[in-house]
Amino acid sequence: DAGVIQSPRHEVTEMGQEVTLRCKPISGHDYLFWYRQTMMRGLELLIYFNNNVPIDDSGMPEDRFSAKMPNASFSTLKIQPSEPRDSAVYFCASSFWETDKTGNTIYFGEGSWLTVV
Amino acid sequence: AQSVTQLDSHVSVSEGTPVLLRCNYSSSYSPSLFWYVQHPNKGLQLLLKYTSAATLVKGINGFEAEFKKSETSFHLTKPSAHMSDAAEYFCVVSDQAETSYDKVIFGPGTSLSVIP
Repeated sequence: DAGVIQSPRHEVTEMGQEVTLRCKPISGHDYLFWYRQTMMRGLELLIYFNNNVPIDDSGMPEDRFSAKMPNASFSTLKIQPSEPRDSAVYFCASSFWETDKTGNTIYFGEGSWLTVV
Repeated sequence: AQSVTQLDSHVSVSEGTPVLLRCNYSSSYSPSLFWYVQHPNKGLQLLLKYTSAATLVKGINGFEAEFKKSETSFHLTKPSAHMSDAAEYFCVVSDQAETSYDKVIFGPGTSLSVIP
């Protein structure tokens, strides 16, 4: 199992530029999550999808952030325009719903380290 | 409403000594509880999870945790710390009665340092 795959691993960009982060979830998983991690706020859930459909995007900071999941094996998180306060680690994660309620493990990718200067 | 409290933001132990990372939770339903570990510049990795089976849960790398409903605790322990255990540890709670993942709550994390 390759795990959740994210790209790029590191990105440095200038303020105002568009940033696109990519994610490939674990095959067979029907949930996909985007999290952001910072020292100040810890781990925050930005948005999650179920069967490619966005379920809750209330964690998305503002309209500059958007996420898509065109198919079961690919998702993007886009920031346009980027600002220095967007500097953080962005994690993609996936899971599947265990109907016997045995506890739904969330599997994380290695993260995308974003620095906006 | 769910919540997770990790009682120590930072724990420092000597190599070879026991590790105790404390976690208390509140949950309206039967909770699932998890511990994740995050090594520097890495993603979060599942250490172990409790899902209403045995109250003592064994995980990877020699870690274990005990679910104590009366104390609403799920403390993480390891008999003997290794240098490679130095990392950030997150306690996580989710309600088994819920079907929405926004009910998964991550604790603020405990940073574990291991002194040679």
